[in-house]
Amino acid sequence: DAGVTQSPTHLIKTRGQQVTLRCSPKSGHDTVSWYQQALGQGPQFIFQYYEEEERQRGNFPDRFSGLQFPNYSSELNVNALVLGDSALYLCASSSFDQETQYFGPGTRLLVL
Amino acid sequence: AQSVTQLGSHVSVSEGALVLLRCNYSSSVPPYLFWYVQYPNQGLQLLLKYTSAATLVKGINGFEAEFKKSETSFHLTKPSAHMSDAAEYFCAVTTPLGGYNKLIFGAGTRLAVHP
Repeated sequence: DAGVTQSPTHLIKTRGQQVTLRCSPKSGHDTVSWYQQALGQGPQFIFQYYEEEERQRGNFPDRFSGLQFPNYSSELNVNALVLGDSALYLCASSSFDQETQYFGPGTRLLVL
Repeated sequence: AQSVTQLGSHVSVSEGALVLLRCNYSSSVPPYLFWYVQYPNQGLQLLLKYTSAATLVKGINGFEAEFKKSETSFHLTKPSAHMSDAAEYFCAVTTPLGGYNKLIFGAGTRLAVHP
């Protein structure tokens, strides 16, 4: 049974560019959440998708947007990158109305 | 609003010694609590969870945690540390209401285990 997968594993961008990160949830899960983990900090909730709609959003600017597809996979898009966007981006999947989230290995983004 | 405080950003123990990682939470409604472990350059792995059943929760790799409502705590323990336990540990809280279950994490505790 495949767990949560994310791509790419690493990414280097320059300021002002745009980036797309991808996530495939664990088999049987229909809800995807995205978190940002800056170096030396705990993960911060960005947003959650269910039924192809954003259900909750954390305290992140509109430069951060997402999508969920009919197969439950998801994308995180960040526009106009700034240095502070450098972080590990974690995707977590769960079943709707279930409390446990399972995390992928993350995508490490470096903005130069 | 919910929050999590992890006391001690770094904890160092000897191999075979007791591991105690502290977590205090704040929540206006009954919480669900989690401990996750993160090894270098990896994602988060679920160690254990409390979801309003038994207050003493056993997890993987010999870890356990006790939910104490009166102390608003959910400390993680392991009787005997192993070198492979060296990692970063995160405590998290959520309250699933109608399917909304975002996790609020603490800042993490880095555990070092020395011979």
